[in-house]
Amino acid sequence: DAGVIQSPRHEVTEMGQEVTLRCKPISGHNSLFWYRQTMMRGLELLIYFNNNVPIDDSGMPEDRFSAKMPNASFSTLKIQPSEPRDSAVYFCASSLGTGVNEQFFGPGTRLTVL
Amino acid sequence: AQSVSQHNHHVILSEAASLELGCNYSYGGTVNLFWYVQYPGQHLQLLLKYFSGDPLVKGIKGFEAEFIKSKFSFNLRKPSVQWSDTAEYFCAVNALTGGFKTIFGAGTRLFVKA
Repeated sequence: DAGVIQSPRHEVTEMGQEVTLRCKPISGHNSLFWYRQTMMRGLELLIYFNNNVPIDDSGMPEDRFSAKMPNASFSTLKIQPSEPRDSAVYFCASSLGTGVNEQFFGPGTRLTVL
Repeated sequence: AQSVSQHNHHVILSEAASLELGCNYSYGGTVNLFWYVQYPGQHLQLLLKYFSGDPLVKGIKGFEAEFIKSKFSFNLRKPSVQWSDTAEYFCAVNALTGGFKTIFGAGTRLFVKA
């Protein structure tokens, strides 16, 4: 199995631009998670989906952030407009079941907003 | 609110020293417990997990953790660390009372001197 796939691996953009991060979970996994990792705040859960349905989006910082999961094999995290404080590494993870089980993390997208 | 506390943010050890990283959680009832490791520049990966049964859990690379329910703790141990154990270690917990939302601790950065 290829594991969780994220793209792009690195993104550098200017403040105000739209940023779209992509994730392909492990085939057969029905829970998907988006995390943000920074030095200051550590690892934060932004949102998670179960069977393509958003279950908990309480970690989404503000309306500039949105996430979708149109099918079982693809999810996007969009930031519009982006701000320098959004600079972080964004991880996608997937797991079997409702999220009880271990999560398999992707390689992350390192986002820099200038 | 449910939380996970890791006592040490940074730990520095010499090779062959013993390691113990503390983790406490605030959930009540049945919990599932995890330790993840993040090597420099890489994504998180599972070290070990506890769902039920023997409270002493053995994981990969010689790590183990002990679940002590009365102390709400799940400390990670390794009798003799190696330089290659340099990484950041995350404790994580989910529980029925939390809707099985996995909460990660802030992480402990371990640096092993060769």
